Amino acid sequence: QVKLVESGGGVVQPGRSLRLSCAASGFSVSNYGIHWVRQAPGKGLEWVAVISYDGSKKHYEDSVRGRFTISRDSSKNTVFLQMNSLRADDTAVYFCARYFETDGYFEYWGQGTLVTVSS
Amino acid sequence: SYELTQPPSVSVSPGQTARITCSGDTLPNQYAYWYQQKSGQAPVLVIYKDTKRPSGIPERFSASTSGTTVTLTIIGVQAEDEADYYCQSADSGLWVFGGGTKLTVL
Repeated sequence: QVKLVESGGGVVQPGRSLRLSCAASGFSVSNYGIHWVRQAPGKGLEWVAVISYDGSKKHYEDSVRGRFTISRDSSKNTVFLQMNSLRADDTAVYFCARYFETDGYFEYWGQGTLVTVSS
Repeated sequence: SYELTQPPSVSVSPGQTARITCSGDTLPNQYAYWYQQKSGQAPVLVIYKDTKRPSGIPERFSASTSGTTVTLTIIGVQAEDEADYYCQSADSGLWVFGGGTKLTVL
């Protein structure tokens, strides 16, 4: 069955970096777009980034563009989110989600990994 | 970028009808989607492409659209429907969620 498992979260100081992983099983990330969506504590959902099914297109939310980079390793069936120059307002649970392109929705979600940016 | 606006909260008694609105300038031209998120869980899709209901979602969930506003309607609300609801849309390579509406079942 389809499964997405995020990892790599933790506590990091402002200005430092962290890399999140989204390990997929039950399907190939080469066939689906994968998104990152985050949720600050007690707040709503915020879309962060996407990598297209073929890896050719990457898009970012304005506040993370230039600081975050989405990538993937098809051999490991894993998508990554490299987060640099982290700020306190990046503190959130980060979810990865598989995108169903035909009808345009987030079809499967992981359970999320918590990133806390604090000194 | 663009914004989707939802009321922060809606409260209804069991068996009543709950309506949650979502407003945004791009909604006449882009599809809207609705997700339900219960505490500590990942979101679940309840409506896609404005008005379509995925398999497995109860028939009491429906949606409509009028101009720049889309509305999620839950007829005959049950206690298990208590959750946060988010509208979502996409345009030009950007995906946006509304701020979310907390549905309280009294």
